[in-house]
Amino acid sequence: QSALTQPPSASGSPGQSVTISCTGTSSDVGGQNYVSWSQHHPGNAPKLIIYEVTKRPSGVPDRFSGSKSGNTASLTVSGLQADDEADYYCSSLTATNKVVFGTGTKVTVL
Amino acid sequence: QVQLVQSGSELKEPGASVKISCKTSGYSFSTYGMNWVRQAPGQGLEWMGWINTETGNPIYDQGFTGRFVFSLDTSVSTAYLQISSLKPGDTAVYYCVREPLRFDYWGQGTLVTVSS
Repeated sequence: QSALTQPPSASGSPGQSVTISCTGTSSDVGGQNYVSWSQHHPGNAPKLIIYEVTKRPSGVPDRFSGSKSGNTASLTVSGLQADDEADYYCSSLTATNKVVFGTGTKVTVL
Repeated sequence: QVQLVQSGSELKEPGASVKISCKTSGYSFSTYGMNWVRQAPGQGLEWMGWINTETGNPIYDQGFTGRFVFSLDTSVSTAYLQISSLKPGDTAVYYCVREPLRFDYWGQGTLVTVSS
C-alpha cells in the first residue's frame, strides 16, 4: 500500500486560506469515507482535526474544513493564524481494512 | 478527559528488546481499538497496525510482522508495543492512537533509539 500523496509544503499569510490535497486511489480515499486529518506541532501530541472526510471534532474551529472529490481529499484552513503552523497528515481506511497515511504537509504562516 | 500517556524515551543496543506502554484514562478502554504508528526521524507516519481492545486480537500491517507485538492489560487500561531484535532502522517515535477509523486521540509519542 503506497502512501497517499500530499504536497510537501503550503503557506499563507495570516488571515488567508490554504488548501492541502491528499491523493490516493479508488482503494482508499476514493472508495472510503474514513479520511482523517491530524495536526502535528513539534513536541506536542498530535491532534485530530477532521474525521470521516468532513466532520470536525468538538473544539476544533470551523476554520478547518474537509472535502473529497474522487480520489483526492482536501483540508482547507481559513483565516490562517500563527498557531496553524504545523505538519498536517491525512489518513484513509483502505479496501483491505488497513490504514494508509499521507506523506505530510508542512504549513507555514508567513 | 481522554488521555493517552506513553512511557519515556528508550536507548537500546541492536538486538535488544523494548516494550512501550500507553496508559489510557477518561474513557472505557475496551470500547475503542488502539493503533500503533511509527515516525522515523525526518520521515512521515507509518501505520503499524491495531489491536482490538475488546478481544485482544491484533492486526499487523506489512513490514510489522514477526518482531512487533501488540498487547493489552485491560486491568490497568494500558496497551503495549514490544519490539524484539531491535535494529538501527527501528529508531523512531512510536505513537499509540485511539480508534482505527478516526485516530481521535494520540499519545505524546515514545522515542526509541537503537544504537551501539
